[in-house]
Amino acid sequence: DAGITQSPRHKVTETGTPVTLRCHQTENHRYMYWYRQDPGHGLRLIHYSYGVKDTDKGEVSDGYSVSRSKTEDFLLTLESATSSQTSVYFCASRQGPSNQPQHFGDGTRLSIL
Amino acid sequence: GESVGLHLPTLSVQEGDNSIINCAYSNSASDYFIWYKQESGKGPQFIIDIRSNMDKRQGQRVTVLLNKTVKHLSLQIAATQPGDSAVYFCAENIGSNFGNEKLTFGTGTRLTIIP
Repeated sequence: DAGITQSPRHKVTETGTPVTLRCHQTENHRYMYWYRQDPGHGLRLIHYSYGVKDTDKGEVSDGYSVSRSKTEDFLLTLESATSSQTSVYFCASRQGPSNQPQHFGDGTRLSIL
Repeated sequence: GESVGLHLPTLSVQEGDNSIINCAYSNSASDYFIWYKQESGKGPQFIIDIRSNMDKRQGQRVTVLLNKTVKHLSLQIAATQPGDSAVYFCAENIGSNFGNEKLTFGTGTRLTIIP
């Protein structure tokens, strides 16, 4: 689609450990997003970025941080993973101003035991 | 249609028939809408979008209708094929200051194509 790859695709870890998920896009898109997807909920925005080093919180940002040091990479970090953060995480990017679709990666399935 | 419940609404359609998936959106200020398709184990895939100054937009085998009066969006898929089986969900965008537009997503409808 928009050349978005997420890594790892699957991860199992223990409560209390830090976890970093990576999103890499090759389209030179300015805007990038991290979502989580859980049963019974639509995609919920965790954090987003509107440029290198420019990030802001979404609706479910507690317990998560992000960094964007290069246009192509957007990292999501769980500082100290909890079982409630077990989810499927999706990264998305968008080319430019509003009224353009976001394009998604294939997700990271994260299980926290 | 869309639901916030734990179980996705489902729609079963015979192969070759047309299908209609509905979505009720929440905010009358929303100015841009997108339909996504999500297959198992994959990320959402963009299908078609529509701006609020339009009532209808057509793509290849898909049509999106927008009724702003009742805040309703529908996706019509013509001549359904087995590959159309997936979860479909709509997203609405509330226009705001440059840079911080965000999408709000519905929970989706599971479409099953019966051979």
